[in-house]
This record gives sequence, C-alpha cells and structure tokens, in this order.
Amino acid sequence: GAVVSQHPSWVICKSGTSVKIECRSLDFQATTMFWYRQFPKQSLMLMATSNEGSKATYEQGVEKDKFLINHASLTLSTLTVTSAHPEDSSFYICSARVLYGYTFGSGTRLTVV
Amino acid sequence: QKEVEQDPGPLSVPEGAIVSLNCTYSNSAFQYFMWYRQYSRKGPELLMYTYSSGNKEDGRFTAQVDKSSKYISLFIRDSQPSDSATYLCAMTGPGTYKYIFGTGTRLKVLA
Repeated sequence: GAVVSQHPSWVICKSGTSVKIECRSLDFQATTMFWYRQFPKQSLMLMATSNEGSKATYEQGVEKDKFLINHASLTLSTLTVTSAHPEDSSFYICSARVLYGYTFGSGTRLTVV
Repeated sequence: QKEVEQDPGPLSVPEGAIVSLNCTYSNSAFQYFMWYRQYSRKGPELLMYTYSSGNKEDGRFTAQVDKSSKYISLFIRDSQPSDSATYLCAMTGPGTYKYIFGTGTRLKVLA
C-alpha cells in the first residue's frame, strides 16, 4: 500500500534554532501533501497543504514565515520550524492523499527546550 | 458548535467486549467518512472508509453511517488488548480534499 515515510521521529532542539521535518512518499507520487499538528489528547489540526512545485496554502492562524513548507518533488515535502520556541513543541504529522482517504507518516515529536 | 463531535473517552472495556465508537457532525454535505486508529506517538492508520450512508464490514470492524441523523459509528467485535488506541473519525464533502477530524476516543481493552 501507499507509504509515507517521515523523519525524524523525534527531535529536541534549543529555543531559537530551526528544525526540518521530511516526508517522503515511498511507492507513489504525492502531488499534494498535508501537514498537521497534534497536541496531547487533541485532534489533528491541519496546518498547511503543499503542492508540488508551488507555494503551500496555509490554514488561518498558521504563520507561514515560521512554518516553512517546501514540496520540491513528487515524493518529498519538508516542514521547517524556524526560530522554534517551547510553544512549538508538538507532534507534527504529514499525510498524502490516496485513492481512499489519507495515508499518514509516523509523526515527529518536537520538543523545544 | 464543532463540525465534528467525538467523545474523548477514555473508554475501558474487558477483552472480548463489543466496542461502539461514535461521531456526530453538523455539515449535511459530508459524504465521505473514515475511521483511523492511532497508537501512542504514531501517525494515524486508516481502518475504514465509507461513502454516503450504510454499513461496511471488515473483519472485526463495522462502520455505520446514518446521514439522516448525522451520526457515524465504528463497532469492534471481540475486542483485543491490541485494539487499545485512539480512534479518530474523519469526514469531508464533495469538491474538497480537506478532511475534518474528530478529537479521537481513547480506547483501553483490558486483558
């Protein structure tokens, strides 16, 4: 089946630094990828939609300058959290649209200290 | 009112019990309904996908959609400790690829 590989699975970084999260579609081409954020015991909140070769579309309230999304190829999308702060600590998940619904990456737990 | 409402639980059941998980929604345009299972610190995995109203069965899992009541359910028969996870419903309507997720229900199946 369609698999999305997400790395790293967890990362700890210092406040003020940037962190890059990668998502790769392993056995299919993902023209569109979605980035979600999930706080403990809460649902998935869509942050942005990335389309290969074009600018990402951000949801209302999501800072595009803070959460940089790049979708340079049909199999790779990246999310960079710039100048991270403790409040950015969360679980970030990417997904790609498949024939029925979405397939999700395994998630990245970001802790900013 | 949220577009999708889901009881967060936790729901604790003994092994072998039948589990009923539910979501209600407010947007009558929703046509596509999914159930995802999410283990702790993992990404969600698709369990069931249904279109419009009706039932769909896959092994121990049955998904039901009642569009007239704006209510969907996931039934798990002969529940196992390995079913312990958070179950999220998700849905969308025509003309968009954005899915709205419920908050998820935490299920614990006790051995």
